[in-house]
Amino acid sequence: QQQVKQSPQSLIVQKGGISIINCAYENTAFDYFPWYQQFPGKGPALLIAIRPDVSEKKEGRFTISFNKSAKQFSLHIMDSQPGDSATYFCAAAYSGAGSYQLTFGKGTKLSVIP
Amino acid sequence: NAGVTQTPKFQVLKTGQSMTLQCAQDMNHEYMSWYRQDPGMGLRLIHYSVGAGITDQGEVPNGYNVSRSTTEDFPLRLLSAAPSQTSVYFCASSYAMGNGYTFGSGTRLTVV
Repeated sequence: QQQVKQSPQSLIVQKGGISIINCAYENTAFDYFPWYQQFPGKGPALLIAIRPDVSEKKEGRFTISFNKSAKQFSLHIMDSQPGDSATYFCAAAYSGAGSYQLTFGKGTKLSVIP
Repeated sequence: NAGVTQTPKFQVLKTGQSMTLQCAQDMNHEYMSWYRQDPGMGLRLIHYSVGAGITDQGEVPNGYNVSRSTTEDFPLRLLSAAPSQTSVYFCASSYAMGNGYTFGSGTRLTVV
């Protein structure tokens, strides 16, 4: 059972455009939703995260939109740059009961072309 | 402050061999996890630990063992390597529930 579904699998965006990656989750107990960025040959790095008590969080050019009723959240990259070309993973976690483990989506490979 | 350190970076094993992937963190993080990354599959949780002496299984634990004798170290043991264990392995740690995990740079393992 895939608990976090991510789309699209790959995305090509022109420089300066907006990149949008979507995720949907099933477990309503999830209460922490991070996005990770991974460059080839490197480990994933935390990009931005949100909790379900807010609908949007912005950090620089990166914004998470969160829809609790639809159990969906998305990453928007404004003014996309070639340096943003990487694989992006959404994730979800339940931070209660002393466990706290991340469940990842399958990833989106973003290519930003000049 | 080195963060999460994984060794080795690359390893080739023959089927049936055993080995240990090392993971160490110097951030005094209680939570540590091992993931494997395969093309098109995202990151899948193998084993995790919520503190020294406490470990539990994740999504894909078969063929792997872990132990957590100290806060700093969380080694992953492959008992009898199989070609299906060819993957990139990542160790990660976190300070507390609801905080981001910090990942190591990974170990690329090939089993022939």
